[in-house]
Amino acid sequence: SQKIEQNSEALNIQEGKTATLTCNYTNYSPAYLQWYRQDPGRGPVFLLLIRENEKEKRKERLKVTFDTTLKQSLFHITASQPADSATYLCALDLDNYGQNFVFGPGTRLSVLP
Amino acid sequence: GAVVSQHPSRVICKSGTSVKIECRSLDFQATTMFWYRQFPKKSLMLMATSNEGSKATYEQGVEKDKFLINHASLTLSTLTVTSAHPEDSSFYICSAREGTSMGPQHFGDGTRLSIL
Repeated sequence: SQKIEQNSEALNIQEGKTATLTCNYTNYSPAYLQWYRQDPGRGPVFLLLIRENEKEKRKERLKVTFDTTLKQSLFHITASQPADSATYLCALDLDNYGQNFVFGPGTRLSVLP
Repeated sequence: GAVVSQHPSRVICKSGTSVKIECRSLDFQATTMFWYRQFPKKSLMLMATSNEGSKATYEQGVEKDKFLINHASLTLSTLTVTSAHPEDSSFYICSAREGTSMGPQHFGDGTRLSIL
C-alpha cells in the first residue's frame, strides 16, 4: 500500500538557520507533490507544488526539491524566523487525477529566537 | 487570494443530534471539494471527495450514510454528521479546488465538533 513519511514529528532549529524537512513515499509514482503549512486550530495553507519533471522549485525563502528516484522531496526554509514555526505537510495525489489526496503526518517546526 | 469559509467553527451538542457543516468558496468556483478529519497531533485523513452535481466518493471505512455530503453548487458543499456520537468528535476540515487537478487545495479553518 502507499505510504508517506515525514522525517520527524518535531524539529527545533535556531533562528537564522536553514530548516530542512523530508517527505518520503513508497509504492507510488506521483506526477506532482505539494507542500502545505498548518498553524494550530487552522486549516492548511498551500505553499508550493513541484512536478515530477522539476528538480527544484523556489518561492522567496522556500525551496522544494523532488527526487523521483529516491522517492523523496525536501523542503527548505532559509533564514528561518520564529514566525515560520508551524506544522508542514506534504501531500500526494494518489491517482494523478486530483481526486484522491493523501497527506503526510507532518513535521512540527519550532524556530527558536 | 482564494478564500474558503467553513461554518460553524465550533459545535457542541448532545449525542444523537445531526450536525451540518458548510463549506463555501467565496471568490472562486470550486469544481472539487474535499472533506477531511483530523485527530489531535495527527495528519489530515481524507473522508470524501465531491464534484459539483455528482455523488461524493467516500474513502474506505467512511460510512456514507453517517457522513452525508452534498455539493449542490460550485461554491457550496455541506457535510452532515447524522446521529452523532462521542466517537464522532473531531476536527473536520473542508477544502476546495478550482480548475485543474494539479491545482492547490484551499482550506477552510475547520470545525471543532464535540459530542457530549
